[in-house]
Amino acid sequence: DTAVSQTPKYLVTQMGNDKSIKCEQNLGHDTMYWYKQDSKKFLKIMFSYNNKELIINETVPNRFSPKSPDKAHLNLHINSLELGDSAVYFCASSQGPREAFFGQGTRLTVV
Amino acid sequence: QQPVQSPQAVILREGEDAVINCSSSKALYSVHWYRQKHGEAPVFLMILLKGGEQKGHEKISASFNEKKQQSSLYLTASQLSYSGTYFCGTEEKSNQFYFGTGTSLTVIP
Repeated sequence: DTAVSQTPKYLVTQMGNDKSIKCEQNLGHDTMYWYKQDSKKFLKIMFSYNNKELIINETVPNRFSPKSPDKAHLNLHINSLELGDSAVYFCASSQGPREAFFGQGTRLTVV
Repeated sequence: QQPVQSPQAVILREGEDAVINCSSSKALYSVHWYRQKHGEAPVFLMILLKGGEQKGHEKISASFNEKKQQSSLYLTASQLSYSGTYFCGTEEKSNQFYFGTGTSLTVIP
């Protein structure tokens, strides 16, 4: 059983489109995250949700909107995609300040 | 505040040792260490919660100096499987969490 799963694994889309990435965890964790990893491999936290409530909302464009229908799911919706949004997006979950389990990543390419 | 890791990259021969440092400008609550292999997700190695704490797993260990706001990861007798990018993650006392700048480690035969 996959602990943290995100879909799709690859996403190629044109500038200006709207897309979503889905994430689900079956670990019973309270906290879920979205990270962005750019071409230089820098990992940057975007959002953190604890029990469906937004805890961290780093300075990301408001074109990015997280949605947490329940504590096992944290989806990421991106409006009006731009070239600079191309990156690998990782979903992760943890139970408090413990180890985070990462999904396999979604490689987003905006053309 | 993103912690700074050093060195940025290191190449080792099998059996050699390496130290990766992670330094923050903020007071820290905890330090995490992760390894990411090419094309894969980061994988948790260990967490250090207290200043002065040291942890180890086989030949990979780490220390946390709370006063100096830094942590070090020690890899001894490196193996080919240790290759990857190592990230520290720092949880600040403000509850903000940041990953470090990353250290690329390559072990060659």
